[in-house]
Amino acid sequence: AQSVTQLDSQVPVFEEAPVELRCNYSSSVSVYLFWYVQYPNQGLQLLLKYLSGSTLVKGINGFEAEFNKSQTSFHLRKPSVHISDTAEYFCAVSERTSGSRLTFGEGTQLTVNP
Amino acid sequence: DGGITQSPKYLFRKEGQNVTLSCEQNLNHDAMYWYRQDPGQGLRLIYYSQIVNDFQKGDIAEGYSVSREKKESFPLTVTSAQKNPTAFYLCASSIAGGAADTQYFGPGTRLTVL
Repeated sequence: AQSVTQLDSQVPVFEEAPVELRCNYSSSVSVYLFWYVQYPNQGLQLLLKYLSGSTLVKGINGFEAEFNKSQTSFHLRKPSVHISDTAEYFCAVSERTSGSRLTFGEGTQLTVNP
Repeated sequence: DGGITQSPKYLFRKEGQNVTLSCEQNLNHDAMYWYRQDPGQGLRLIYYSQIVNDFQKGDIAEGYSVSREKKESFPLTVTSAQKNPTAFYLCASSIAGGAADTQYFGPGTRLTVL
């Protein structure tokens, strides 16, 4: 069975600073990887996903993530954050052979301060 | 507008009562999902359905039941057997239930047991 670990539960940063949200996964088979964002009291929205090909994936709102197979990581980055990026971010994984069952990490609360 | 509707947004229930949460989608998606979200625990899969009249248990199905009589509807019943039902419940759908498919989320229902 797959598992996901988000290494930081809270990440405070100042506006216009760069940010990295870390995600590691564990699985015995090939996986697809996802990052979702959740604004307060709302559902989740897809930021980006890695399916195959280039290990650097670009998503919405200026976010990008890099798949590192040897380190089983899929860290999310943004070079310059805005106040509006304040939200909770979830890393998720699905195994290629097991259909659409997503396993989520525990989430990272990103707080952008002025 | 295409999307997923969950109602009600807030729900209060007395201990010992069953309650049904509504989820409707007009995206013409085949697959639908129910997740439970608790603070610091990410999202956990309760039930999912990849086709009408069929559904599978997720990781925490005990105390919950579902039905899928129509493609666009996937109601969740929280029964009195669920020991800690207070949580935020999220419904999602995907186009075909494949491992690479993006899941689209509704705005959620916050259930509080009094």
